[in-house]
Amino acid sequence: DAGVIQSPRHEVTEMGQEVTLRCKPISGHNSLFWYRQTMMRGLELLIYFNNNVPIDDSGMPEDRFSAKMPNASFSTLKIQPSEPRDSAVYFCAISAGGNTGELFFGEGSRLTVL
Amino acid sequence: RKEVEQDPGPFNVPEGATVAFNCTYSNSASQSFFWYRQDCRKEPKLLMSVYSSGNEDGRFTAQLNRASQYISLLIRDSKLSDSATYLCVVNRGFQKLVFGTGTRLLVSP
Repeated sequence: DAGVIQSPRHEVTEMGQEVTLRCKPISGHNSLFWYRQTMMRGLELLIYFNNNVPIDDSGMPEDRFSAKMPNASFSTLKIQPSEPRDSAVYFCAISAGGNTGELFFGEGSRLTVL
Repeated sequence: RKEVEQDPGPFNVPEGATVAFNCTYSNSASQSFFWYRQDCRKEPKLLMSVYSSGNEDGRFTAQLNRASQYISLLIRDSKLSDSATYLCVVNRGFQKLVFGTGTRLLVSP
């Protein structure tokens, strides 16, 4: 596997709390993607970065969501304040390069907001 | 209407059966197409790309019909290990992949 490490793997929090999800590609990649997966809506692209710059954040649901990529090996997705409808699995992925369409996903962070 | 539509299933088939999944997409400007596989509580992984000429990888055959905006996946001689959710994926360009909600396959002994 290309190696994308996400943390935490599981998080249970209460409504109103701040949540920070982390992504570390093992080797630096130019493009990094944050997806959210729910039963009802499937996998939705939230935001993607190219060379650490956010290119398209049109999928970010609202201002409560923010994402940063301070360097090629680290990214965060923050939700503040969290709401029960944010409960989902959040995946970070990196591109295999070119226009292959292959993304390597991390194992995901399963978030439950009570 | 969703940009990528799939029958959610589940498709329940016995080992050895042939099963086909279909998918339609609405954006005619979509550039490339893929099938991903996702096991329960795991991350999605690329299964295969889909070309207009059709392509085969072992027991798996994928086909694209651009005129009808339709993508298919055929699995021959199903194995228990094929049980998973199969995601139809469309590349809008600039690596922006749009995923269908998936079709669940259950292969039983």
